[in-house]
Amino acid sequence: DTAVSQTPKYLVTQMGNDKSIKCEQNLGHDTMYWYKQDSKKFLKIMFSYNNKELIINETVPNRFSPKSPDKAHLNLHINSLELGDSAVYFCASSQVADSNQPQHFGDGTRLSIL
Amino acid sequence: GESVGLHLPTLSVQEGDNSIINCAYSNSASDYFIWYKQESGKGPQFIIDIRSNMDKRQGQRVTVLLNKTVKHLSLQIAATQPGDSAVYFCAESPVGGSRLTFGEGTQLTVNP
Repeated sequence: DTAVSQTPKYLVTQMGNDKSIKCEQNLGHDTMYWYKQDSKKFLKIMFSYNNKELIINETVPNRFSPKSPDKAHLNLHINSLELGDSAVYFCASSQVADSNQPQHFGDGTRLSIL
Repeated sequence: GESVGLHLPTLSVQEGDNSIINCAYSNSASDYFIWYKQESGKGPQFIIDIRSNMDKRQGQRVTVLLNKTVKHLSLQIAATQPGDSAVYFCAESPVGGSRLTFGEGTQLTVNP
């Protein structure tokens, strides 16, 4: 009965590889997000989709490409991974994009680049 | 586990004491404020939120206070328990926005 679920939980890979992280929410929410949490625990938004449409796109390298096949899923694909991409990536969802509703987070994907 | 070089503000309290975690924000247009709790290995968990037309809101064992004059937000936890040990984040967004900006986090340690 997990509300926001991400896979995989851990991802260890070599520099230069391409990898994807998947996220699904069963809360019936319209809006989904990707955040990056660095080694100092600082959380920063990367992307947001509302009903499959991109609404927030922060200054993120083009190597990161989100994709939302439907409003319950928001995947993150990363090309040509770099050492600085090592972080914890969190997916979140909220009911409606512009109504100041709480965002509900998954448990994160810990990405380590060797 | 924690990373080398991690320097979060910390607060250490005794079990049963009340805890107060503070947060300052800079955006005068901020309209919505929210507190999250993050336990080790987990994602941020919603605790309580407040809108700018209020200055106090209470939940179960938690109270959020908002002082818009000095742009200050606090989270009070009553009768703190060991299970409250976690990193606590404040976050804010402007009117009608979904773009949350997070603070740096405070590590709360509850000593039994």
